[in-house]
Order: sequence, then C-alpha cells, then structure tokens
Amino acid sequence: AQTVTQSQPEMSVQEAETVTLSCTYDTSESDYYLFWYKQPPSRQMILVIRQEAYKQQNATENRFSVNFQKAAKSFSLKISDSQLGDAAMYFCAYRSGNSGGSNYKLTFGKGTLLTVNP
Amino acid sequence: DAGVTQSPTHLIKTRGQHVTLRCSPISGHKSVSWYQQVLGQGPQFIFQYYEKEERGRGNFPDRFSARQFPNYSSELNVNALLLGDSALYLCASIRGRGPGPQYFGPGTRLLVL
Repeated sequence: AQTVTQSQPEMSVQEAETVTLSCTYDTSESDYYLFWYKQPPSRQMILVIRQEAYKQQNATENRFSVNFQKAAKSFSLKISDSQLGDAAMYFCAYRSGNSGGSNYKLTFGKGTLLTVNP
Repeated sequence: DAGVTQSPTHLIKTRGQHVTLRCSPISGHKSVSWYQQVLGQGPQFIFQYYEKEERGRGNFPDRFSARQFPNYSSELNVNALLLGDSALYLCASIRGRGPGPQYFGPGTRLLVL
C-alpha cells in the first residue's frame, strides 16, 4: 500500500519570503500522480499543484513550484513571495496511475500547518 | 459553473442513529469520491463511484454505504453511528476516468454525541 509522509506538522514564514514544505511517499508503482492541496480554515480543499510521475520537469503554478525527486520519492512544495492568504493546512497526496479499480483514490499525508507572519 | 456542493453543512446525531450526506458533482463530471477527515488528520478514502457503479472502497466497515444517481449526484449513508464517526466528510468529483484532478466540496461536519 502506498503511504505519504509529511514530517513537518507546522511551518511558519514571513510575508514575502519563501518556504518549502516537505513530502515523501512510498510506492512500488512507476506510474502515479502527486498533488498538493491547500485547506484553509473554511475547510474547502483546494488543488494547488499537480505532478505526473512520468514527467521529469517540475510543475509550477505562479508562486507555487515543486521539487520532484522520483528516485528519492520526494515531492516538496515551494511557495515564493508568501502572502497572508497562503496560511492554511497543506496536504500532499498520491494517486495511482494504474487504470481500473479505485485508481481515483487519493492517499493523503497528515498535513503541514503553514502560518504566514505579517 | 458551480463547484461541488454538499449538504448539509453541519449535522449533529446521537450514537446508534443513521445519517445521509449528499453531494452534487461539478456539471459534466461523472465520478464522485467520498473521504472522511478526522480532526488533525488527512482525508481517508471511503468510496469511489463512476457511472453509478462502485469502483473503489476504502477500509471502512459495512455501516458505510453509498450510491450514485443517474444525474451523477451521490449519497453517503452511515448506519449505527459511533462517536468515532465524528468527522468532516468530503466529496470530490472528477470529469471521468482518467488522470484529471479531483475537485472537493466544502464538506459536511458530522458530530456524533
């Protein structure tokens, strides 16, 4: 079974600075997808960024980028120019790329609570 | 287009009761998944439905059941509620079978007393 580990329960960053959230995962599959989701106090789970395992290029979405190290099974999220609105719980998630069955199942880490200080 | 909607937003039940949670996916999305998120933890997969058929089930007891309707909306049913069922229940929708991302609804907060 796949597992996702987020080793940082809490992180803090100054507004306008850069912060990196860590995520490692364990899988025997070669085809899979990795995601970062943001969950603010409103509880709505919002997709931040997505990475396909077969792509070597790291995904970027505006101020958000990832460092995907497939051999090390590491998938960190970098937030540049942090804003107060970035404060939230961040979850790393894994999804199998195999077709059929419950391939939509997301396996989540326990989350990292990010605080942004003004 | 409207996002994923869930009802009710909050619910209080007592042990032994039954509860039904509802989810409407994004228009055009045919697959719905349900997750349970206990306070302080990441969401745990409960069910996935695609084209009205169950396509995946997580490690949850038979007290948990779900179904998907012809309009692709879905219900999650939990029987014989336990205190440990208190959680945020999230619904997510995907357009179809493929690598597309899942979009989550705002969740239903269930408290079992």
